[in-house]
Amino acid sequence: GIQVEQSPPDLILQEGANSTLRCNFSDSVNNLQWFHQNPWGQLINLFYIPSGTKQNGRLSATTVATERYSLLYISSSQTTDSGVYFCAVERDQAGTALIFGKGTTLSVSS
Amino acid sequence: GAVVSQHPSRVICKSGTSVKIECRSLDFQATTMFWYRQFPKQSLMLMATSNEGSKATYEQGVEKDKFLINHASLTLSTLTVTSAHPEDSSFYICSARDSDRVDEQYFGPGTRLTVT
Repeated sequence: GIQVEQSPPDLILQEGANSTLRCNFSDSVNNLQWFHQNPWGQLINLFYIPSGTKQNGRLSATTVATERYSLLYISSSQTTDSGVYFCAVERDQAGTALIFGKGTTLSVSS
Repeated sequence: GAVVSQHPSRVICKSGTSVKIECRSLDFQATTMFWYRQFPKQSLMLMATSNEGSKATYEQGVEKDKFLINHASLTLSTLTVTSAHPEDSSFYICSARDSDRVDEQYFGPGTRLTVT
């Protein structure tokens, strides 16, 4: 099955710093999503980005489908950005389940 | 955006009893819903795919007789953990996609199950 690898596994930042999270996947995908899991466990949709670049405020994401990777950029990080960031890809064909990477745990201190 | 709810958010039960968890899509219809479980500090692992009006498809290693899934309508899927044991304690999360769209999936807030 498809493999999803995220790096780094852990990231510690000072407030105001920028960061880049990476997601590599082993096969072509129909869907790629980035999520932020808050301390209560809720998965917050950040981006639906099977290809191309999107921006939403301080966050942006780029997926290069031909090279099988995606990047999540966080600029001017804030303490509220802390949590676990997951990349997930849709396997096989459209409409199937998402397969998750192991996540990147981000800690932002003031 | 689309909203998915789960009930209950937290449940504690005794070993040997059964627990039902509901997953609802509140503002869209979902032909297919998905159930995941997450252990502390780990990623989400797919348990099964729930199909409206038909049997669920279980991932390898997931006991279908233990984790009963019913997708009775286009907005409701239920997961019943039967004869629960302490090792079933986990965070259970469902997801759904709008049947009219083939894009992003939305996740419920999760249910934390503790079996004593």
